[in-house]
Amino acid sequence: DVKVTQSSRYLVKRTGEKVFLECVQDMDHENMFWYRQDPGLGLRLIYFSYDVKMKEKGDIPEGYSVSREKKERFSLILESASTNQTSMYLCASRIPTGGNSPLHFGNGTRLTVT
Amino acid sequence: DQQVKQNSPSLSVQEGRISILNCDYTNSMFDYFLWYKKYPAEGPTFLISISSIKDKNEDGRFTVFLNKSAKHLSLHIVPSQPGDSAVYFCAAREYGNKLVFGAGTILRVKS
Repeated sequence: DVKVTQSSRYLVKRTGEKVFLECVQDMDHENMFWYRQDPGLGLRLIYFSYDVKMKEKGDIPEGYSVSREKKERFSLILESASTNQTSMYLCASRIPTGGNSPLHFGNGTRLTVT
Repeated sequence: DQQVKQNSPSLSVQEGRISILNCDYTNSMFDYFLWYKKYPAEGPTFLISISSIKDKNEDGRFTVFLNKSAKHLSLHIVPSQPGDSAVYFCAAREYGNKLVFGAGTILRVKS
């Protein structure tokens, strides 16, 4: 079974702090993704990565950056946390077999910015 | 502007009956559609998918129907069980590897 592990289940940070959300997958997947989930908005793509050291902006990249130094690890960085970044953050990975393979998600990190 | 819409925020169904979850999309370039299920405090898990060249795909109690002309898909669960109570997300694949998700529908199956 694919395992996608997000380092923290809950985080509380202050406005202006730099925040790191870590994600590790154990199945050698090339593609990795960061989504945020908000009520009424579903899952929105922040950033994704096709492979090591590659990154692409998703639909809502503002205020975020990412790092993919190793294949198994994909980090989401909030450069200066703001209250509107309070959300559930979900990491996912996938093998890119024609793009039809499903995403495997971690259990999420609930971030609260005060 | 949401390209994938799930217009029913919630649905309540009696155990043993059919659950029908609906999804509409606007982008005619979507070529693959998926349904995910999410329990509280867990990440979404893949449930079933359908290619745009098909109009039906079945997997056990779950069937997905696609009506391309109406840009509409639906997920049927028969018979519904209490363990099916979860949030269901519809997703559609754009060019490349991106998935676009709907807002989700909360399904409650009453025993």
